[in-house]
Amino acid sequence: SAVISQKPSRDICQRGTSLTIQCQVDSQVTMMFWYRQQPGQSLTLIATANQGSEATYESGFVIDKFPISRPNLTFSTLTVSNMSPEDSSIYLCSTGGGGGELFFGEGSRLTVL
Amino acid sequence: AQSVTQLDSQVPVFEEAPVELRCNYSSSVSVYLFWYVQYPNQGLQLLLKYLSGSTLVKGINGFEAEFNKSQTSFHLRKPSVHISDTAEYFCAVSNSNDYKLSFGAGTTVTVRA
Repeated sequence: SAVISQKPSRDICQRGTSLTIQCQVDSQVTMMFWYRQQPGQSLTLIATANQGSEATYESGFVIDKFPISRPNLTFSTLTVSNMSPEDSSIYLCSTGGGGGELFFGEGSRLTVL
Repeated sequence: AQSVTQLDSQVPVFEEAPVELRCNYSSSVSVYLFWYVQYPNQGLQLLLKYLSGSTLVKGINGFEAEFNKSQTSFHLRKPSVHISDTAEYFCAVSNSNDYKLSFGAGTTVTVRA
């Protein structure tokens, strides 16, 4: 299984600012995924990030709000732009395990004041 | 599109007692099924998965799940729980090997001495 590291693990941000979350995988992977877990809720897929192409966003998520970079096969970033308190969530990076399953990082816990 | 229903939002259980977490899914095609565990302040960890073959799947930490196609269920069981099993448990389903998992709302298991 892949080992996935995320930074920051948690942050407290002011309304209107932006935060970039980094995700590092210990092996080369084709697809990386970004999920959001709002307080007390389940996981929702934000977008799929493939190296060398634009990220594919799910319904309800847009590039202007959640720009994603995928510069190589082991790294991706998710930016949460112009934050509001509703963006307070855990943001999780994941990648496929070869058997249909996903492996997840520890998550980045974001609180927006 | 597939969906997942976890029938119990909270399950309190005494230490060394058995536990069953219920999961039903809806899908018009063959599915892959997963159970994940999220310990407090951590990311998601794969407990077990069903892709094909034997309907009884054994996972880590003594958990097992049974795939029932006629009932469209994938219930998770453990014969004797420990305090350390206190966590959030998520059932997930995908239609294929594209890693697009749909997650249930989660079941909070609280194990008491």
